[in-house]
Amino acid sequence: AQRVTQPEKLLSVFKGAPVELKCNYSYSGSPELFWYVQYSRQRLQLLLRHISRESIKGFTADLNKGETSFHLKKPFAQEEDSAMYYCALRRGGSQGNLIFGKGTKLSVKP
Amino acid sequence: DSGVTQTPKHLITATGQRVTLRCSPRSGDLSVYWYQQSLDQGLQFLIQYYNGEERAKGNILERFSAQQFPDLHSELNLSSLELGDSALYFCASSPSGAYNEQFFGPGTRLTVL
Repeated sequence: AQRVTQPEKLLSVFKGAPVELKCNYSYSGSPELFWYVQYSRQRLQLLLRHISRESIKGFTADLNKGETSFHLKKPFAQEEDSAMYYCALRRGGSQGNLIFGKGTKLSVKP
Repeated sequence: DSGVTQTPKHLITATGQRVTLRCSPRSGDLSVYWYQQSLDQGLQFLIQYYNGEERAKGNILERFSAQQFPDLHSELNLSSLELGDSALYFCASSPSGAYNEQFFGPGTRLTVL
């Protein structure tokens, strides 16, 4: 079955500390993976995708096919990073729908 | 705002009723997706339309239906509503082409009393 698992519901860190949001997936084909973020009172927006291998707002994520993981990392958390983070897997090609994890709420304390 | 728009923002109704949620995609986007977000199930894909045609179905109940019109806006119809249908309903749109991104609307919060 195709599934995305985010084991942590809530992650709380202090400003300046490293952050790692975990995501594991189950997919029979070649996965296309994404991280979406939802800031307070804002809509869901794409943070980054594995295919582009870019760093957005200091966040990076590496696809590890051996461990079927796509963890999101940032070396130094900022208060403005506080938000809900969703890992998602796209099925069915470029027009396919997304399968989301249940999300992790990141809280960065001053 | 040229992004995805959804109306209404909030909807409160009673069990057994029927409601229609509306979504206008970004200009030029042919694909529309509907997702349901509830506390226990998280974000779940319901249905997708591409240029007026149904493209894929997810965990959509038979009481729910959708369509995409020639102007590409989409409507999600929910009937015989139950308490458990209370959720946030998101619409997303994406352009055609490889490696495209899904752009989400602000959502419609449905409360069934």
